[in-house]
This record gives sequence, C-alpha cells and structure tokens, in this order.
Amino acid sequence: NFMLTQPHSVSESPGKTVTISCTRSSGSIASNYVQWYQQRPGSAPTTVIYEDNQRPSGVPDRFSGSIDSSSNSASLTISGLKTEDEADYYCQSYDSSNPVVFGGGTKLTVL
Amino acid sequence: EVQLVESGGGLVKPGGSLRLSCAASGFTFSSYSMNWVRQAPGKGLEWVSSISSSSSYIYYADSVKGRFTISRDNAKNSLYLQMNSLRAEDTAVYYCARDTAWGQGTLVTVSS
Repeated sequence: NFMLTQPHSVSESPGKTVTISCTRSSGSIASNYVQWYQQRPGSAPTTVIYEDNQRPSGVPDRFSGSIDSSSNSASLTISGLKTEDEADYYCQSYDSSNPVVFGGGTKLTVL
Repeated sequence: EVQLVESGGGLVKPGGSLRLSCAASGFTFSSYSMNWVRQAPGKGLEWVSSISSSSSYIYYADSVKGRFTISRDNAKNSLYLQMNSLRAEDTAVYYCARDTAWGQGTLVTVSS
C-alpha cells in the first residue's frame, strides 16, 4: 500500500497564491490520476481538481493542479486567495491494488 | 445537475446493522463506478468501498471487510451499503461519491 502525505496546515493572505503538496510514498505519482477535494467547515467535500489538472464545471480557474515526477508529488495551487477558500483540502489517488487512497488533509487558513 | 442523496443513517447499538442508500440523478448512473467514503468526527476522509459500473469489481477497506457489503441497482439509479456487526469506530458521516460528485452525507452513530 502507498500513502499520500500532505502538510497539516498552510496559511496565506487574501489575494496571494498558495500551493498544497501531496507526496506519494511508493509508485510513480504519474502512473495514476490525482484528484483534489475541498471541504468547507460543516459541509460535504466537493471536487476542485480531477485527473491531475482538470477542473469540474463551476470551479474557478484560480484552482490548478499539477504533478512533479522528480519529487513524486502532486500540487494544488490556488491563486488570488479569497476568504471563502478557507477549508480542508484532500488529495486522492489509487493503484491496481488500492482503488482509493486519500491524503491526510491540509487545513488552509486565509488570514 | 448531478445529484447524490444518501439516506438510512441513524443511531444503532454495537453489533447492530444498518443499510445506507444513495439515490443518483443527473447522469448515466450505470456508466460510473461508485464509492462509499466516511469521515469520523474531527477526522479526515476514509475510503470504505467501491463498486464498478456493472458490479463486476468490488473492493473494501480492511477495516470493514467481512462486515460491510456494497451493491447497486442500475435500474433504480441507486447505490447501497449494508453494514453489519457495527462497532463504535464505525461512527461517521458516510458519503456516496462519484469521480467528480459527492452527496451530502448521512450520519451513522454506533453507541449503546
């Protein structure tokens, strides 16, 4: 089994750009798609990025996803931060033996 | 609009059973694999189970294997999770999820 490791928390000011990392412990990050989910307090998760870098309809282009094979990690970048972006963010991927693996989540504070 | 609506949660005693349902609409349900994901109070997301579009492939987390059963009825656009031998540690909000859509969740509380 592989793990996805995220920072516990990040913080940044409104209008700035923040990047949240998600490092895969074994196996190539490029071998299987990565998804990113946003969960605001008291709400269900929503998908902000799927298939590494695709945005569902309705998600602003301030949200972008990428992968870096050299560090075996995926990243979620949010530009032009707004207070409404304050939430928990989870990465998720899979492999042939593990259909769904979540990262531990990152709490984003916009202060 | 894609919608996933869970139901069936509630309070159950340890060792008891519960059946969750998820009603899907706004997309071709029979074309998608579906998942159950749970979240214990104050904790992160935990994958529970997945089922392929035609029910050919079914997977479970080790924590629920042998106790939970996932199923679907494509004619009724519905996903199910039969939960038996429930434990206190199964207390969580249970979400029905597709690749890009999530339901609002249903709370399962296991307590005497």
